[in-house]
Amino acid sequence: GNSVTQMEGPVTLSEEAFLTINCTYTATGYPSLFWYVQYPGEGLQLLLKATKADDKGSNKGFEATYRKETTSFHLEKGSVQVSDSAVYFCALLNTGGFKTIFGAGTRLFVKA
Amino acid sequence: EAQVTQNPRYLITVTGKKLTVTCSQNMNHEYMSWYRQDPGLGLRQIYYSMNVEVTDKGDVPEGYKVSRKEKRNFPLILESPSPNQTSLYFCASSLPPPGGTSYEQYFGPGTRLTVT
Repeated sequence: GNSVTQMEGPVTLSEEAFLTINCTYTATGYPSLFWYVQYPGEGLQLLLKATKADDKGSNKGFEATYRKETTSFHLEKGSVQVSDSAVYFCALLNTGGFKTIFGAGTRLFVKA
Repeated sequence: EAQVTQNPRYLITVTGKKLTVTCSQNMNHEYMSWYRQDPGLGLRQIYYSMNVEVTDKGDVPEGYKVSRKEKRNFPLILESPSPNQTSLYFCASSLPPPGGTSYEQYFGPGTRLTVT
């Protein structure tokens, strides 16, 4: 079946450090891939997405590239800020499907 | 303001006492869904609805009911809550329907439920 695996957290970084959160997936066909972010006390918000192989999604300085050969969609940011502290979820949606599969989430702490 | 609202935000109840968590969206979305979030498990889908009067089970439907009598509302019903339903619940909606390339889900702020 479809699944999403994320690196375990928490991830703790200093401000301006480089961020990578790994995400790999298992799916049939050609899924769309997403990163959602959950700030404390809030619901999830879409951060970025990619709908086909080699697409790069980007938003607010975050990027992720859809790598079909490695079934990965790693999230990166060149310089994190304290305000980026949140839980990040990788997710997939199969083509023509109606169910989004979420990873377990990775909590990020950024220290000033 | 486009939003998904849930009520209540926090609820503590006892085993067996029926409860309803309401969800409403003002974006005219066809698709709505309920998830539960548990540590280490991410979000798991409970039920979803493609449109009025059209609902289907997600991955963890046992112990829950839903209804979709109006497009904007999608309440979650726990007829006889048990402690293993203690969790953080999220409602979400989307337009266009899932499977489209611009698909994005909009989430409510969450309902933290404790069943003792």
